[in-house]
Parts: sequence; C-alpha cells; structure tokens
Amino acid sequence: DPKIIQKPKYLVAVTGSEKILICEQYLGHNAMYWYRQSAKKPLEFMFSYSYQKLMDNQTASSRFQPQSSKKNHLDLQITALKPDDSATYFCASSQAGLGAEQFFGPGTRLTVL
Amino acid sequence: GDSVTQTEGQVALSEEDFLTIHCNYSASGYPALFWYVQYPGEGPQFLFRASRDKEKGSSRGFEATYNKEATSFHLQKASVQESDSAVYYCALTLTGNYKYVFGAGTRLKVIA
Repeated sequence: DPKIIQKPKYLVAVTGSEKILICEQYLGHNAMYWYRQSAKKPLEFMFSYSYQKLMDNQTASSRFQPQSSKKNHLDLQITALKPDDSATYFCASSQAGLGAEQFFGPGTRLTVL
Repeated sequence: GDSVTQTEGQVALSEEDFLTIHCNYSASGYPALFWYVQYPGEGPQFLFRASRDKEKGSSRGFEATYNKEATSFHLQKASVQESDSAVYYCALTLTGNYKYVFGAGTRLKVIA
C-alpha cells in the first residue's frame, strides 16, 4: 500500500487558473513538506509543516499556499498559474525536528498552458 | 545559507566499475547528512543518513562516511550494476530545523 498519496498524478491547467494538489501520508509522521522539481531547479524546497503549523517557507510567491486540514494532510493551493509553474511537485514527510530522513510521494506533474 | 555541492552532474560507468560521487556541504551548525536516489517517474527514495563525524551510512551496497573536517559525504559503491542507473542527491538538515537542503543531483548511467 502506498504510504504517501499524491493526487492527481498529472494535471494540466490554463494560465491564470487555480489548482489544488493533494497530499496524504500514512506513516504516522508529524512533519510534512512540499518540493518542486523542474529542469531549471532540480529539487527545490518550498514549505515545511510540523503538527499542522508552518515551520519554514522558502517560496517567495504568495500564490503558493499550503493547507493542512488534518495532521496527515498537506495540500498545496496554487493561484494565478503561470507557465513557469510547470514542474513536478513532491510531497514528503518525516518525524518532526530530529534530523530524520524524509519519505517522498510519487509527485504531481503540473503543466500550465 | 546552508548549501550542498555535488561536483559531478553526470557520471557514466560500465557494470562492475567503482563509483564515487562527491558531496561537500556548508552549514551553520552540525548537520545530518543524507543520500537519496531517484528513478525516472518516481519521487526520491531515502538511501541512508549519518549524523556524526566519522559515522558511516550504508544501504544496498552504497556507503558514505561523514567527514566533518573536510565537510564531505562522498557516495561510493564498489561494483555498480545497470539497475543503479538513476539520479543521486546529497542533502543536509540541521536538527530542530525544518528545512532540508539538496544538492543539484548526479545522474548515473551504468552501461551493461
């Protein structure tokens, strides 16, 4: 059974629209993260949450908003989409604050036309 | 800020060759160090970690030793196989910190 679920696997959007990327983890972890991967920047840290609280934000744009409705959920809302947002977005989780290893989901590949 | 440098962008080897991928880091404190592997179409997978000077991490025949003086954590494998072809990432985090810093990745291609 998959331990980290990301939905959808593929997503196509038009410029200016809004999308939500879903992430659920069943590893019992208290920390969750979002990363972006594109040809320009191989693996780029975006956000980290611990016990549903924002711990670190390395994303300059407010168009990217994480949403944590449950301890094991961390969705990513992206508004006013641009073609430059095209990338694969990975969700990850770990034990909180211990320098522990992260476990990654399979990713959502977003294409903005 | 904290950073991870992987010297090789791409490495091409034949099966049974010895592999070294160099990883050097810069950190404001005493980081935990990691290696991850990513296969096409998948998310990165944790290989192993080390958190103290001179500690060796290992998994699946890969190994690396934490060298605090040299600020390095080089990945090695004695005999690579075609199935090892993937992208390898070195990463660090500071305990109590919630940010992980990844290197640019090294694409390994092993030819049978």
